[in-house]
Amino acid sequence: DAKTTQPPSMDCAEGRAANLPCNHSTISGNEYVYWYRQIHSQGPQYIIHGLKNNETNEMASLIITEDRKSSTLILPHATLRDTAVYYCIVRASTTDSWGKLQFGAGTQVVVTP
Amino acid sequence: NAGVTQTPKFQVLKTGQSMTLQCAQDMNHNSMYWYRQDPGMGLRLIYYSASEGTTDKGEVPNGYNVSRLNKREFSLRLESAAPSQTSVYFCASRTGGNGNQPQHFGDGTRLSIL
Repeated sequence: DAKTTQPPSMDCAEGRAANLPCNHSTISGNEYVYWYRQIHSQGPQYIIHGLKNNETNEMASLIITEDRKSSTLILPHATLRDTAVYYCIVRASTTDSWGKLQFGAGTQVVVTP
Repeated sequence: NAGVTQTPKFQVLKTGQSMTLQCAQDMNHNSMYWYRQDPGMGLRLIYYSASEGTTDKGEVPNGYNVSRLNKREFSLRLESAAPSQTSVYFCASRTGGNGNQPQHFGDGTRLSIL
């Protein structure tokens, strides 16, 4: 499975866009990019995923580079409730792949007033 | 929508005691998973069930057993609790099969073993 690299931490001002980078240079053609976050003391929360096209939902946007070696999660208007650890994960769409899911260290995002 | 429900939310055990952690999902998902998360660390897979009637070991299965009771429920049992099993336990589910649908997690059970 492709390994991901994320910055350990980043700060964001409330109301501004938060852009979270993720490198996955060894990604395979059948692997999707998934983003989760974990707010303190809660279970991981699914945010968004994509294969090669940019994706948007009510929570965030996902921008994947044309070569698929990196991606950026965009929180358009960060709020204090977006303070969390954000995880970028690359997975193939098979059951066995999900059975080996591992969350790395992620990026600690702190949204400040 | 309830999603993935875990019970209990908190539990304190003495070394050697046994306990079963319960997990239920109402999303008609085929696959279910149990993880543990230790302070400052990522999730580690304990066991998973790709579909009703099947279970497989994950990264850290020693000291645990699981039961896929039916499609909705997947329980995790500690037969003889040890202090090293103090952790937060998360259950997750997903549609299963060869699709791109993500996992969805419960809010966890915080377990302390004295």
